[in-house]
Amino acid sequence: GAGVSQTPSNKVTEKGKYVELRCDPISGHTALYWYRQSLGQGPEFLIYFQGTGAADDSGLPNDRFFAVRPEGSVSTLKIQRTERGDSAVYLCASSAKGWDNEQFFGPGTRLTVL
Amino acid sequence: QKEVEQNSGPLSVPEGAIASLNCTYSDRGSQSFFWYRQYSGKSPELIMSIYSNGDKEDGRFTAQLNKASQYVSLLIRDSQPSDSATYLCAVSFGGGFKTIFGAGTRLFVKA
Repeated sequence: GAGVSQTPSNKVTEKGKYVELRCDPISGHTALYWYRQSLGQGPEFLIYFQGTGAADDSGLPNDRFFAVRPEGSVSTLKIQRTERGDSAVYLCASSAKGWDNEQFFGPGTRLTVL
Repeated sequence: QKEVEQNSGPLSVPEGAIASLNCTYSDRGSQSFFWYRQYSGKSPELIMSIYSNGDKEDGRFTAQLNKASQYVSLLIRDSQPSDSATYLCAVSFGGGFKTIFGAGTRLFVKA
């Protein structure tokens, strides 16, 4: 089937605006992850969902960031009052339930905050 | 603070040679270890996973894990110019599925 998809592929916004980034995982994958990646760095963990619940949100940098996965499939990462430092590529990954935890990444959303 | 360390490189090898990429991690409770390849402007792509001490081979790739030394490596045999990319080491920690990535090693394979 299809891989992980993310929309939009690019998002340009102004400082202080609200943005939503969407992730559609591989069908049947119960685990979903959000990361952000800055140039020259590895992906930085933000949050992990198992089903509908956020099992680990310790990577969210502050309360401006929030993510939901209401039906255990599609997830939305929400960023309020965006700041220029939020500019990065936001990556979503999913994995099948199980001990192996192999994650498959989507193409990412490049967020630019002007 | 759980950490995953990689030499940023660049590592340059001639075509046909063996490329050796290394990674160390800080948490002894780590359970799962992964190597991802990332081409410029693209998202990470899973190459190998390894969970127990020793070697795991898949085609031209061999992952090696030494939990006592908290060390994991990736060997690429018969390196090809198409292997030129950034290689990311990732470690998942015991008790959950949180995954920490290293900053990556840039590999250049010269034709």
